[in-house]
Amino acid sequence: GIQVEQSPPDLILQEGANSTLRCNFSDSVNNLQWFHQNPWGQLINLFYIPSGTKQNGRLSATTVATERYSLLYISSSQTTDSGVYFCAVEPWAGTASKLTFGTGTRLQVTL
Amino acid sequence: DAGVTQSPTHLIKTRGQQVTLRCSPKSGHDTVSWYQQALGQGPQFIFQYYEEEERQRGNFPDRFSGHQFPNYSSELNVNALLLGDSALYLCASSMDRGPGNTEAFFGQGTRLTVV
Repeated sequence: GIQVEQSPPDLILQEGANSTLRCNFSDSVNNLQWFHQNPWGQLINLFYIPSGTKQNGRLSATTVATERYSLLYISSSQTTDSGVYFCAVEPWAGTASKLTFGTGTRLQVTL
Repeated sequence: DAGVTQSPTHLIKTRGQQVTLRCSPKSGHDTVSWYQQALGQGPQFIFQYYEEEERQRGNFPDRFSGHQFPNYSSELNVNALLLGDSALYLCASSMDRGPGNTEAFFGQGTRLTVV
């Protein structure tokens, strides 16, 4: 099956710093979503981005489907950004919304 | 508009017992998927229900079964619990618009501990 790799696995930032998280996938995909998992386990939708670039406040994401990667940018990080960030893909030959997740990037933002 | 809701939030069971987890999808959604997330890992797909039928299944044993009701809510059942079944179980709902056009939304999860 499709492989999804995220980097870096862990990231520690000071408040106000910027960061880039990367998601590589091994095969063509129909869809890609980015999630933030808070300390209570809730997966919060950040972006639905099979291709192109989207922005939402301090967060933006770019997916280059032909090169099989996606990037999540966090600017002016805040302590509330801490948690685990997952990308998840819907494989090209797969069922709608059946997602394969990466291993995540654990972000800690300190004062 | 209520999002995806799961119950219970926490559960402790003994090895060999059976457990049922419940999920109510987001309003207007017709598809429910279940995922298992072990500590420190990403969620793993268990199965998906659409039109009250299991449409797709991941690499999980038959001890894991499910059901979808006419109101689109769903249950996940796990029989003969093992210690390794301890995990966060996540339910996702979506409105099926076909591959590539369907966004999934997740509930807060049920944390199952098997002792």
